[in-house]
Amino acid sequence: GDSVTQMEGPVTLSEEAFLTINCTYTATGYPSLFWYVQYPGEGLQLLLKATKADDKGSNKGFEATYRKETTSFHLEKGSVQVSDSAVYFCALMGQGVAQKLVFGQGTRLTINP
Amino acid sequence: ETGVTQSPTHLIKTRGQQVTLRCSSQSGHNTVSWYQQALGQGPQFIFQYYREEENGRGNFPPRFSGLQFPNYSSELNVNALELDDSALYLCASSLGGGGEQYFGPGTRLTVT
Repeated sequence: GDSVTQMEGPVTLSEEAFLTINCTYTATGYPSLFWYVQYPGEGLQLLLKATKADDKGSNKGFEATYRKETTSFHLEKGSVQVSDSAVYFCALMGQGVAQKLVFGQGTRLTINP
Repeated sequence: ETGVTQSPTHLIKTRGQQVTLRCSSQSGHNTVSWYQQALGQGPQFIFQYYREEENGRGNFPPRFSGLQFPNYSSELNVNALELDDSALYLCASSLGGGGEQYFGPGTRLTVT
């Protein structure tokens, strides 16, 4: 079945550092790919998405490119802020009858001032 | 535009009891999906309802059941609660099964 594997955390960085969180997936067909963010005590918020190969999703300084050849969707940000501290989830939506999201296990990011 | 709301926020139940969780979908959305998020894990798909019919189900036993109402709000029912059912339960609404899913804040269920 479909699956998502994320870089294990936790990840701790200093403010203004460069961020990469790795994500790879296994799926049949052409899934859509997503990054969600979860702040403490809250639900999930969509951060960015890409629906086809070579698409780049971007939002709030975060970027991720859909790489079909490497089945990857790595999240990057050039300069992180303390407010970026959260748990980040990579997810895919396949092409079945029910358009369910399949999530990775999450990566906890802490940014120190 | 009202977002996705869930109730209650927190709930404590005893093993063997039954629980009902509620979700109000975002205005204009006709599909609700439910997910279980165990501590430190990613959310796992439970099932999806589209126009009051179950539209797909994940790997959860039949004691997890649901309903969707004509106004597209939804309930998740869990019978014979087990300790492992302790988790954050998230619902997400969308326009159609393949539409972007908008998540509610979740219900934290603790089974003792």
